[in-house]
Amino acid sequence: AQTVTQSQPEMSVQEAETVTLSCTYDTSESDYYLFWYKQPPSRQMILVIRQEAYKQQNATENRFSVNFQKAAKSFSLKISDSQLGDAAMYFCAYKGGATNKLIFGTGTLLAVQP
Amino acid sequence: IAGITQAPTSQILAAGRRMTLRCTQDMRHNAMYWYRQDLGLGLRLIHYSNTAGTTGKGEVPDGYSVSRANTDDFPLTLASAVPSQTSVYFCASSVSISTDTQYFGPGTRLTVL
Repeated sequence: AQTVTQSQPEMSVQEAETVTLSCTYDTSESDYYLFWYKQPPSRQMILVIRQEAYKQQNATENRFSVNFQKAAKSFSLKISDSQLGDAAMYFCAYKGGATNKLIFGTGTLLAVQP
Repeated sequence: IAGITQAPTSQILAAGRRMTLRCTQDMRHNAMYWYRQDLGLGLRLIHYSNTAGTTGKGEVPDGYSVSRANTDDFPLTLASAVPSQTSVYFCASSVSISTDTQYFGPGTRLTVL
């Protein structure tokens, strides 16, 4: 069975600095997708970034980028120039190409210090 | 375009009562999902629907039922609520069951006493 592990329950970063959130996963599938979702205090689940496993190039969305290491089954999220609005719970998620569900990690709570 | 709406926003319910959580999407997505979010466990899939008229069980389906009479609506019913069903419930949708990206509603916080 596929699993997603986020080993950092909490992280903190200074405003304007860079922070990296870790995520590892376990799968025997070759076709899959990886995601980072942000959940602010409003509770809304917001898609931050997605990565297709077949793509070698790391996905980037403005200040958010990933370091996708397929062989190591690692999918970390880098937030550059951190802003107060980035404070939230961040979830890493996996979806197999042939499955119908997202498998979530337990989340990392990110605090941004002014 | 509202995306996905859920109702109610929050609810306190006595154990043994029946409750239906509503979910409506206006994106004409074929696939819809229900997840529950519990502290320390992330989100877990309860039920899903590939398309109108079909449903399937997810990871934690016991105590819940769903129906999909049309494309837009995907209600989740707790026939006889128990305290362990206290959770935040999220509805999500995607273009199709094989499409990677799922979009989430705002969630319903349910407390069963």
